[in-house]
Amino acid sequence: AQSVAQPEDQVKVAEGNPLTVKCTYSVSGNPYLFWYVQYPNRGLQFLLKYITGDNLVKGSYGFEAEFNKSQTSFHLKKPSALVSDSALYFCAVRPNTDKLIFGTGTRLQVFP
Amino acid sequence: DTGVSQNPRHKITKRGQNVTFRCDPISEHNRLYWYRQTLGQGPEFLTYFQNEAQLEKSRLLSDRFSAERPKGSFSTLEIQRTEQGDSAMYLCASSNDGHTIYFGEGSWLTVV
Repeated sequence: AQSVAQPEDQVKVAEGNPLTVKCTYSVSGNPYLFWYVQYPNRGLQFLLKYITGDNLVKGSYGFEAEFNKSQTSFHLKKPSALVSDSALYFCAVRPNTDKLIFGTGTRLQVFP
Repeated sequence: DTGVSQNPRHKITKRGQNVTFRCDPISEHNRLYWYRQTLGQGPEFLTYFQNEAQLEKSRLLSDRFSAERPKGSFSTLEIQRTEQGDSAMYLCASSNDGHTIYFGEGSWLTVV
């Protein structure tokens, strides 16, 4: 079955420190990969995507993600976290269909 | 760019009543999606339109659910004879290429 795993329900990091939010996937073929962020009681905001090419993709608000095909991972990273980055982050994959499969989300808490 | 617009943002209804949600996609986006998100979970795919054609429906979309996109522009999602288990946030999204999918703010449904 096709699936996305976000192994950490919550990630806590101090402001100014680097952050990583993990994502692994299990789909056939060469899927497209995405990260979205969700603030309380809001919809999802697109952060970045990987389609093909360079394994390191840069996105909005200083976030980047590294695609690793051998490990089937697509971890989200940011060199220096801000308190305002605190939110719920979702990894998603698009297999060879037109729908996204989401992980269960990781709550990022950045403390001052 | 006005983004994906969803109405109403919140709806409280009694069990057994019918509800309808409307989605206005980003202008000229030919792809439109509906997802459902419950607390603590990632969004789950419900259905997908390309222009006015409904191309895919999830098994989650029971007979009580119907979605339309009559002129390939806005879409409606109707839930008949609502049940408490229908309480969720219903997210609409649109795309012009299927690569980047933009979500609206969501419509919260509470069935009492």
